[in-house]
Amino acid sequence: GDSVTQMEGPVTLSEEAFLTINCTYTATGYPSLFWYVQYPGEGLQLLLKATKADDKGSNKGFEATYRKETTSFHLEKGSVQVSDSAVYFCALTLDGFQKLVFGTGTRLLVSP
Amino acid sequence: GAVVSQHPSWVICKSGTSVKIECRSLDFQATTMFWYRQFPKQSLMLMATSNEGSKATYEQGVEKDKFLINHASLTLSTLTVTSAHPEDSSFYICSAQKIAGESYEQYFGPGTRLTVT
Repeated sequence: GDSVTQMEGPVTLSEEAFLTINCTYTATGYPSLFWYVQYPGEGLQLLLKATKADDKGSNKGFEATYRKETTSFHLEKGSVQVSDSAVYFCALTLDGFQKLVFGTGTRLLVSP
Repeated sequence: GAVVSQHPSWVICKSGTSVKIECRSLDFQATTMFWYRQFPKQSLMLMATSNEGSKATYEQGVEKDKFLINHASLTLSTLTVTSAHPEDSSFYICSAQKIAGESYEQYFGPGTRLTVT
């Protein structure tokens, strides 16, 4: 079945460090791909998305490129801030943004 | 904005009792809402799709008689865990789908932690 695999956390970084959170997927068709972020005590928020191969989603300094050849959608940020500390979920959908299939989430901890 | 609330944020109940969790879209109407369950260090698992005015669609392996879903209005869906047991203890998260033109986006509630003793 369709699935998403993302790196286990926590990922611990110092402020201004470079961030990569790996995400790979398995899907029977051509999924849309998403990154959601969950800040402490809040609901999941859409961070960015890409709907077809080679698309790059970006938001708030984060970006991810839909790589069909490697079935990947890695999240990157050039310089993290303490306020980026949260749990990040990679997800896919095959049916026009109805059923989301999530990865296990990766906790990011950024220290000053 | 698009805000989704859940109530309660946490609940403790005794085994054998029923618990109702509410999911509300506060500033938009949602014909479709989703209920997820999350175990520690695991991903969100879709339990069911809730459609206003019709029966919910349950994912494979989810007991519809145990997890009753009612989507009675365009801003409210409820999940009732009937005859709860300790294995039902989990974090339950809802989302509401907002449609704007051809754009669909799910907005998530903050979750409800259920502990069954």
